[in-house]
Amino acid sequence: GQNIDQPTEMTATEGAIVQINCTYQTSGFNGLFWYQQHAGEAPTFLSYNVLDGLEEKGRFSSFLSRSKGYSYLLLKELQMKDSASYLCAVLDSNYQLIWGAGTKLIIKP
Amino acid sequence: ETGVTQTPRHLVMGMTNKKSLKCEQHLGHNAMYWYKQSAKKPLELMFVYNFKEQTENNSVPSRFSPECPNSSHLFLHLHTLQPEDSALYLCASSHQLAGDYNEQFFGPGTRLTVL
Repeated sequence: GQNIDQPTEMTATEGAIVQINCTYQTSGFNGLFWYQQHAGEAPTFLSYNVLDGLEEKGRFSSFLSRSKGYSYLLLKELQMKDSASYLCAVLDSNYQLIWGAGTKLIIKP
Repeated sequence: ETGVTQTPRHLVMGMTNKKSLKCEQHLGHNAMYWYKQSAKKPLELMFVYNFKEQTENNSVPSRFSPECPNSSHLFLHLHTLQPEDSALYLCASSHQLAGDYNEQFFGPGTRLTVL
């Protein structure tokens, strides 16, 4: 079966750095997405990785290792507005998105 | 403004009611999706439409009936639902169905409660 694993919940302090991990086992791989979802709102796109390595976009970076079936989302200089759920999703060989259950990130002052 | 709108935002219905959820995308996309999101569970893909044609039906019960009259509009018709169908129903669209970069844009969702 296909599976995406990510921690259920994480807590971090405002101004700090946090890393959210995602491991996957899927039938094929055509890229990995990270989405942010604030409570009661739609998921919004953060990043896309299809090649190994680090993609940096402002305070957010995403890393991929295809050989290890592993990705992480790195959030720097945390702000209170970063409190949200972060969803990892993999595009499989049929170009269907397989989703993780999401990591709820709580930012404390 | 995400470019994908959904109505209604909240819906409470009894098990014998019939209702419909509406989704509209203003992005010129060709693919549209219905997802079910339950608390602490992964997004569940329900239906996929590509150029108005249904391409996926992931073992969804027949009490959920999708309709796609054109590439911009998607409906989910509901009848004789069960309490376990209570969830957030999300609509999404993407430029194309297949391809290496297939970012999906989501609507705000309809929070459905079945009594």
